[in-house]
Amino acid sequence: EIVLTQSPGTLSLSPGETATLSCRASQTVRNFVAWYQQRPGQAPRLLIRDASNRAAGVPARFSASGSGTDFTLIISNLEPEDFAVYYCQQRNYDGLTFGGGTKVQIK
Amino acid sequence: QVQLQESGPGLVKSSETLSLTCTVSGFSISSGYFWGWIRQSPGKGLEWIGNIYHSGTAYFNSSLKSRVSISVDTSKNQLSLTLRSVTAADTAVYYCARGGYNDPFDYWGQGTLVTVSA
Repeated sequence: EIVLTQSPGTLSLSPGETATLSCRASQTVRNFVAWYQQRPGQAPRLLIRDASNRAAGVPARFSASGSGTDFTLIISNLEPEDFAVYYCQQRNYDGLTFGGGTKVQIK
Repeated sequence: QVQLQESGPGLVKSSETLSLTCTVSGFSISSGYFWGWIRQSPGKGLEWIGNIYHSGTAYFNSSLKSRVSISVDTSKNQLSLTLRSVTAADTAVYYCARGGYNDPFDYWGQGTLVTVSA
């Protein structure tokens, strides 16, 4: 099973700042990584597909990059609604796994 | 617009079987995509349970494979989850979602909390 390690566990930032979230895979997952946002009491929402492509309706302040084992999600100019938990997820022939999540909280 | 809605008992007794249904609207399951189940224990992260294609081809999390079944009913546009021999560790919010094997999960249900009681 491929393990995804997200860091940091918690990020404390102010509105307007930039959040940089990391996701590292235990073995290569090519570019088959997605990022999700989960607000309290809500289902996850797809933000990024295939490592770097924003899903429909996702604001341009969300960007992502990476391939192989290292992936990054960047949220520029944080808006109040961006304070949430973010998960990365990979898919490959061995199955699907999620990272443990990074909580972006207001400083 | 694609919508998914989970339904089923909110309380299941330990050692019994958990059964949930996901009703899909706005998109025909027969049109393609894998469909999946994901769960989230209280205060914890997301755990993939399994995926199924409309043809019946299914893939499961290896840690749950011996206890899980997933099926589709294309006539009702539904997918179902069965988890046998449940314990308190199976208490979670259960989500159904579109995607998972060839695509990311792009549409999610609101989730349903299932509590396993002693």
